[in-house]
Amino acid sequence: GAGVSQSPSNKVTEKGKDVELRCDPISGHTALYWYRQSLGQGLEFLIYFQGNSAPDKSGLPSDRFSAERTGGSVSTLTIQRTQQEDSAVYLCASSLEGLSTQYFGPGTRLLVL
Amino acid sequence: AQSVTQPDIHITVSEGASLELRCNYSYGATPYLFWYVQSPGQGLQLLLKYFSGDTLVQGIKGFEAEFKRSQSSFNLRKPSVHWSDAAEYFCAVAAINAGNNRKLIWGLGTSLAVNP
Repeated sequence: GAGVSQSPSNKVTEKGKDVELRCDPISGHTALYWYRQSLGQGLEFLIYFQGNSAPDKSGLPSDRFSAERTGGSVSTLTIQRTQQEDSAVYLCASSLEGLSTQYFGPGTRLLVL
Repeated sequence: AQSVTQPDIHITVSEGASLELRCNYSYGATPYLFWYVQSPGQGLQLLLKYFSGDTLVQGIKGFEAEFKRSQSSFNLRKPSVHWSDAAEYFCAVAAINAGNNRKLIWGLGTSLAVNP
């Protein structure tokens, strides 16, 4: 079956512009996660959606970052007024529920010039 | 607070040699533990997980890990490393936050290089 998909695969933007990153989770998965992975770094948790519960936004680094999940499926991560330090690979994962195996998408590589 | 420590940032082994990657966690309750692998240019893939039961867990690609509660460890092992095992390995522990939501806490990863 289809895995987690993310788009775009690569994004180059200018400092100060807004970007939107999309994640399509595996059908039926109620939990969805966004992570950021900077060069040579581990995974930095950003935000977690579980069903209809309020999302866990504790990992968002600033108010320039936001995410939504429409209809319990597709999610969009938005970064406003991008900065060079936002350059990283943004990974999305989904799972059946919060403690089960997370399946990762291929990531979106963001470069802010 | 929950945390995961992978003490070795980088390890190099020879092909055919045995491998052990260390992982220590800090968590008040019984942990749910995971090992993921990220190969160059590839996405993250689950190697194995421990939820309960037998403390020695078998995974894919010939990997195994042993949960040792007394040492707060979940070390990953492989008896004979293959060149294709060169990758980044991440240990993670499942945590429940104040809102009763569940997420994974990740280590910083161990980069494995394999010499021919």
